[in-house]
Amino acid sequence: NAGVTQTPKFQVLKTGQSMTLQCAQDMNHNSMYWYRQDPGMGLRLIYYSASEGTTDKGEVPNGYNVSRLNKREFSLRLESAAPSQTSVYFCASTLSGALYEQYFGPGTRLTVT
Amino acid sequence: KNQVEQSPQSLIILEGKNCTLQCNYTVSPFSNLRWYKQDTGRGPVSLTIMTFSENTKSNGRYTATLDADTKQSSLHITASQLSDSASYICVVRHQAAGNKLTFGGGTRVLVKP
Repeated sequence: NAGVTQTPKFQVLKTGQSMTLQCAQDMNHNSMYWYRQDPGMGLRLIYYSASEGTTDKGEVPNGYNVSRLNKREFSLRLESAAPSQTSVYFCASTLSGALYEQYFGPGTRLTVT
Repeated sequence: KNQVEQSPQSLIILEGKNCTLQCNYTVSPFSNLRWYKQDTGRGPVSLTIMTFSENTKSNGRYTATLDADTKQSSLHITASQLSDSASYICVVRHQAAGNKLTFGGGTRVLVKP
């Protein structure tokens, strides 16, 4: 049982390049999330998917797109990377319901130069 | 604005000593409050989840308290170990607002031998 996995672990992009961050969970969770974590700030929600086939914007969606490929996989795409998108990105998943905890992946450290 | 503020930002303690981390929030109404532990380079891992009707919850050497009237929570670490060196994040789940989570900025704890 791998939990939540993310690829890649590290990535360096030049301004304007595009890339997709991959996330997969094997816990049969309904909901999946993408967060970014910047120094001194709390995690901020980029996009989430409450269930397979649905996606919604979070707090900071500009510059990102997502795809809920199936129940297991939720990808985050940067179409034209900017230095402001330098951050650590975390994927998380949970069963539906207020008391279920979110399980986080190990993170992707992205640097945009 | 719904916020979660944590203090101190960082602290250093000697192995075997106790410490207490603070969390003040303005989220209202809230559904539950969580404490997460985040090791360097890893994703957050849940320690406790408390609803508004719970005053205290323990997980091994970690004890969380909640005062919903004053909107304050604390996390007490007893007999600290080197493995307790991590960031501790307070997270509040909104009862409305699509059940979103608001994350505090975290307290970085360093346990020294």
